Amino acid sequence: LAKTTQPISMDSYEGQEVNITCSHNNIATNDYITWYQQFPSQGPRFIIQGYKTKVTNEVASLFIPADRKSSTLSLPRVSLSDTAVYYCLVGDSSGGYNKLIFGAGTRLAVHP
Amino acid sequence: GAVVSQHPSWVICKSGTSVKIECRSLDFQATTMFWYRQFPKQSLMLMATSNEGSKATYEQGVEKDKFLINHASLTLSTLTVTSAHPEDSSFYICSARGAGANVLTFGAGSRLTVL
Repeated sequence: LAKTTQPISMDSYEGQEVNITCSHNNIATNDYITWYQQFPSQGPRFIIQGYKTKVTNEVASLFIPADRKSSTLSLPRVSLSDTAVYYCLVGDSSGGYNKLIFGAGTRLAVHP
Repeated sequence: GAVVSQHPSWVICKSGTSVKIECRSLDFQATTMFWYRQFPKQSLMLMATSNEGSKATYEQGVEKDKFLINHASLTLSTLTVTSAHPEDSSFYICSARGAGANVLTFGAGSRLTVL
C-alpha cells in the first residue's frame, strides 16, 4: 500500500503563502499524486494532481522532485476560507482497482 | 466538470432498521465507485470498491453482510446499512472514477445517525 505522511496541523495568516509537504516513499511508477481539500461535513474537493516536476492551476501549485518521494502543495495568499483539511493521496493499484487510501491529512487554520 | 450526487444528505433512523444511500455520477459513466466512512475529526476510511456489474470488494474488517453495495449501472451505486446500530452512525462518502480517469470525484456525503 502506498502510504503518505503529512504534518497533522499548520497555522497561517491571511495573505501568506502556505506550503504543505507530503512524503510518499513507496510511490509506484504509475501513481499520480493528488491533493484534496475537505471542509467539515462535506466531501473532499479536488485541488490539483501531478506526476512529476511542477503543476499549476488557478488555486494552487504542486511541486514534485525528481525522485517523486515527496510533493509540496503551495497555496498562494491564503484567506480565512482556506481553513480546511488537506489530503495528499497517491494512487494505490493493489488488487487492480487503483483505489485511493487517505492518510491523516493536514488541518490548516488560517487566522485573521 | 464531473459531478457526483449523494442522497440522502442526512438520515436519522431507529436501531435495527436498514438505510440505503445512493451515489450517482451525473455527467459521466463511473466504472468504479468507492465508499468511505468518516468519524468526527478523523480521516476517510475506505470501506469498499464497487465495480459495475460485479461484486464489490470490501476492505479488511468491513462486514459484507452489514454494508451491502450494489452497482447496477454505470451511474448508480448504492450502500445499504443493514440492521443499523448506533455505532454505525457516521459520515458516509462515495466517490466515482470514470473510465481511464485518474481523478476521483467525491459526493457531498451522507450523515447517518442511528438512535
